[in-house]
Amino acid sequence: KNEVEQSPQNLTAQEGEFITINCSYSVGISALHWLQQHPGGGIVSLFMLSSGKKKHGRLIATINIQEKHSSLHITASHPRDSAVYICAGEGSNFGNEKLTFGTGTRLTIIP
Amino acid sequence: DTGVSQNPRHKITKRGQNVTFRCDPISEHNRLYWYRQTLGQGPEFLTYFQNEAQLEKSRLLSDRFSAERPKGSFSTLEIQRTEQGDSAMYLCASSGYLETGANVLTFGAGSRLTVL
Repeated sequence: KNEVEQSPQNLTAQEGEFITINCSYSVGISALHWLQQHPGGGIVSLFMLSSGKKKHGRLIATINIQEKHSSLHITASHPRDSAVYICAGEGSNFGNEKLTFGTGTRLTIIP
Repeated sequence: DTGVSQNPRHKITKRGQNVTFRCDPISEHNRLYWYRQTLGQGPEFLTYFQNEAQLEKSRLLSDRFSAERPKGSFSTLEIQRTEQGDSAMYLCASSGYLETGANVLTFGAGSRLTVL
């Protein structure tokens, strides 16, 4: 079992829909990263969270440390949001600060 | 500083040959990570450095893989006696804390290895 689980693995939605991608982790972390990877493209960091909520444009990320859960929301989705979204946990209760990645959620927004 | 630089971007080699990838992180970043990504999968951790110290190495890394960061700046990842299963995108990322306390994580574009 992966230490970082994402759901859904694939998500297809119509343009304009509100999107939610979930990330759960089984180990203690010091921070959680949300990353975006377009087809054939590099990985871009969207957010780094250690608590609460962050917003950037149409993207919102939340984290609940006690429940070991984070969500990435996209409002007013657009076809250019189509990409793989990856969450990655950083750190552990043992002071290990490597990143552990989820397997990604492939998002497709249909015009 | 334009970000994390990886070279070469693409390497095609025959099975059994040695290959070396280089990563130049953002100069202020003290942490450097190597990951491997195959098609349709998320990145898999290989190893990471804090300054020049290699703090962890994945079990995925066989004895044919070695990574160095001799002066705490650039890093190299060498694969000896390559096998077809080594074909993947090798990603480097660096991270460091800004004065604001924010942790910035930046990935390179990757080095794609194709073993024939």
